[in-house]
Amino acid sequence: EIVLTQSPGTLSLSPGERATLSCRASQSDGSSNIAWYQQTPGQAPRLLIYGASSRATGIPDRFSGSESETDFTLTINRLEPEDFAVYYCQHYGSSPQVTFGQGTRLEIK
Amino acid sequence: QVQLVESGGGLVKPGGSLRLSCAASGFTFSDYYMAWIRQAPGKGLEWVSYISGFGGTKYYADSVKGRFTISRDNASRSLYLQMNSLRAEDTAMYFCARDRGFYDSWGQGTLVTVSS
Repeated sequence: EIVLTQSPGTLSLSPGERATLSCRASQSDGSSNIAWYQQTPGQAPRLLIYGASSRATGIPDRFSGSESETDFTLTINRLEPEDFAVYYCQHYGSSPQVTFGQGTRLEIK
Repeated sequence: QVQLVESGGGLVKPGGSLRLSCAASGFTFSDYYMAWIRQAPGKGLEWVSYISGFGGTKYYADSVKGRFTISRDNASRSLYLQMNSLRAEDTAMYFCARDRGFYDSWGQGTLVTVSS
């Protein structure tokens, strides 16, 4: 089972700044099967990115995903007030088990 | 548009049972795997189970294996989760989601509380 470790636990930034969130996989399965979700309080998660770098339908191009071996990154440019939320990464596809990272909280500085 | 609506949550005593339902609309239900994902209060996301389009393939997290059963009825476009032998640690919001490996549509969740 692939374990995902997200960092930092909490990120404090101001609107207009750039956020860089990390998700490190414990091993490589040779795939890019990483998704990113955004969750605001009291709401269900929303898919942002799948396949490590493909934006989901309706997601602004301020959100982008990238990968380097076992390191996956979600970048949010020009932070908007509605972007302050909790972000989760997820691995899928290589085994029946599905794993999520523990989350990164993006808060207003 | 895709809509998923969960129901069936509530307060149940340890050792009790509960059946969750998820009503789907806006897409061809049988074309998609479906999944249950839960979130304990103040905690992160935990995958629980998934089922293939016609129900022939099912997988469970180790934490619920042998206690929970996932099923679906494509005629009524419904997904179910039968939860038996419930424990305090099963207390969580339970979300159903359309499963493409990643989860592109989610319901709003139904809250399950296991407490005496």
